[in-house]
Amino acid sequence: GAGVSQTPSNKVTEKGKYVELRCDPISGHTALYWYRQSLGQGPEFLIYFQGTGAADDSGLPNDRFFAVRPEGSVSTLKIQRTERGDSAVYLCASSSTGGAHTEAFFGQGTRLTVV
Amino acid sequence: QKEVEQDPGPLSVPEGAIVSLNCTYSNSAFQYFMWYRQYSRKGPELLMYTYSSGNKEDGRFTAQVDKSSKYISLFIRDSQPSDSATYLCAISLSARQLTFGSGTQLTVLP
Repeated sequence: GAGVSQTPSNKVTEKGKYVELRCDPISGHTALYWYRQSLGQGPEFLIYFQGTGAADDSGLPNDRFFAVRPEGSVSTLKIQRTERGDSAVYLCASSSTGGAHTEAFFGQGTRLTVV
Repeated sequence: QKEVEQDPGPLSVPEGAIVSLNCTYSNSAFQYFMWYRQYSRKGPELLMYTYSSGNKEDGRFTAQVDKSSKYISLFIRDSQPSDSATYLCAISLSARQLTFGSGTQLTVLP
């Protein structure tokens, strides 16, 4: 596809359950980012991948959150023991190199609701 | 104190008006400054990007950065109903980890 694709677009889960959110970046983009956007707020940085490795995971809120990108393309954000406070839109973005002057393109996000 | 402060609005203007959107930031080390537009239930899209003080113009949009005051602005000339969206400023040390403002919701009335 032409843009960043995120699936599912909506996810409702019960408190305490495990969820996986998927991101398909633009083909050939080596840099991939996850952000979280709560209602009425701007996106908040979670993690940045360069290739297969997490170059910066300083934004992950706690050890319930984990992300992987095993082949340097698709990434999965995993949340264990979900809490109601995890409800938000999870945004994925990719850029061609991750360098200072490269644009990051965002997907439409996955809206996670924990009930 | 948040690293980036942005007036959430909402802001409502008539079609054709000049719109001024602003953010202030606290860390003088920030060196990359961006404005994103986000339509409802969509991801943010980059509008303007600059890494220096001064003005940058692109069509109806002008981005302004004043590093001495730690203040950034986005001006929209001849605003159109299609400009109705949430505008987010984003600031970065390295362009790899963006710190966003909370967004200003803009409505341009026909």
